[in-house]
Amino acid sequence: EIVLTQSPGTLSLSPGERATLSCRASQSVSSSYLAWYQQKPGQAPRLLIYGASSRATGIPDRFSGSGSGTDFTLTISRLEPEDFAVYFCQQYGSSSLYTFGQGTKLEIK
Amino acid sequence: QVQLVDSGGGVVQPGLSLTLSCAASGFTFRTYAMHWVRQAPGKGLEWVAVIWSDGTTKFYTDSVKGRFTISRDTSKNTLYLQMNSLKTEDTAVYYCAATSPAFFGMDIWGQGTTVAVSS
Repeated sequence: EIVLTQSPGTLSLSPGERATLSCRASQSVSSSYLAWYQQKPGQAPRLLIYGASSRATGIPDRFSGSGSGTDFTLTISRLEPEDFAVYFCQQYGSSSLYTFGQGTKLEIK
Repeated sequence: QVQLVDSGGGVVQPGLSLTLSCAASGFTFRTYAMHWVRQAPGKGLEWVAVIWSDGTTKFYTDSVKGRFTISRDTSKNTLYLQMNSLKTEDTAVYYCAATSPAFFGMDIWGQGTTVAVSS
């Protein structure tokens, strides 16, 4: 089973700053099967990025994804107040399992 | 509009059963893979089960194998999760989610339904 480890656990930044979130896999992951989600308190998750780097419908272009193999990154170029939330990466891989990372909480500094 | 509506959650004693439902509308349900994802209080997301668009291919996370059964009724545009032999560690908000046939990613989510397993 592939394990996804996200870092940092908590990221404290101010609006207008750049956020860089990491997702590291215990084995190589196909880029086609790597996604990122945003979750706000009391809400269901929302798909941000699929295929490691493609933005989902309606997602602002300040969100971008990159990476391959075992290292993937979600970047928010200029933080807006509504971007403070928890972010999860997810993969689909061997044994037909879909696993999530443990999440990164992005909080206002 | 495109939506998933989860229902069926509640409080149940350990060892008993519960069935969750997820009603889909606004998209071509029969072409989407459908998932259940859960979130224990204060914790992260845990994928639980998937049923592919063929209706027969199903996979489960290890902790629910043999206890939970995912199914779908294309005529009713509804997804189900039959949960048997419930344990306290199954307590969570359960979300249904849909994966587009065009790419990997759960792009449609239900609002979640809460399951509390307690004596």
